[in-house]
Amino acid sequence: GQSLEQPSEVTAVEGAIVQINCTYQTSGFYGLSWYQQHDGGAPTFLSYNALDGLEETGRFSSFLSRSDSYGYLLLQELQMKDSASYFCAVKGGSGGYQKVTFGTGTKLQVIP
Amino acid sequence: NAGVMQNPRHLVRRRGQEARLRCSPMKGHSHVYWYRQLPEEGLKFMVYLQKENIIDESGMPKERFSAEFPKEGPSILRIQQVVRGDSAAYFCASSPPGLAGGNNEQFFGPGTRLTVL
Repeated sequence: GQSLEQPSEVTAVEGAIVQINCTYQTSGFYGLSWYQQHDGGAPTFLSYNALDGLEETGRFSSFLSRSDSYGYLLLQELQMKDSASYFCAVKGGSGGYQKVTFGTGTKLQVIP
Repeated sequence: NAGVMQNPRHLVRRRGQEARLRCSPMKGHSHVYWYRQLPEEGLKFMVYLQKENIIDESGMPKERFSAEFPKEGPSILRIQQVVRGDSAAYFCASSPPGLAGGNNEQFFGPGTRLTVL
């Protein structure tokens, strides 16, 4: 099966940088994704890493180390609107079916 | 291009009634996923469907729950004889057909909030 671990809560100051870690277990790894969900809203896709290294998209970056089964989401220049839950999701499996499993989410609170 | 649509957005049922949740995927998407989310919790996978086929229903309870994605029309998640523990937000997501190595982005609908009285 697949499993993921990420911290349940993180608090950071507006303007600062925060890193949200995710470790995973899966067979037949394909990639690691990150999603953002505001309270009462739907999850929205942020990033996807299939290869080792850092992917940057504006203020958000995502990192993957396949050998360590580890990734993180880096949020820079934090804004109040970044307060949300962040989920990592691993895609893995064998044959023709790649299953996506979501972590339990990290609730980020940005404070002034 | 409209996004993933779900209806109703809010559904109230009494114990023992049936709940039907509908999901229309994005145009061109042939993969549909259903998730359940309790307050302050993560997304729990329920079922993955392609047109007229259930690919993976390992996350769906064996009793009272069923899902379909017919050739025409929306995907339906059906909960029979609802109980209070079924109260949750149910999200549908869709993705396009693609290669195994492709981006696994799923596009989520706004969800249906089910309340069982």
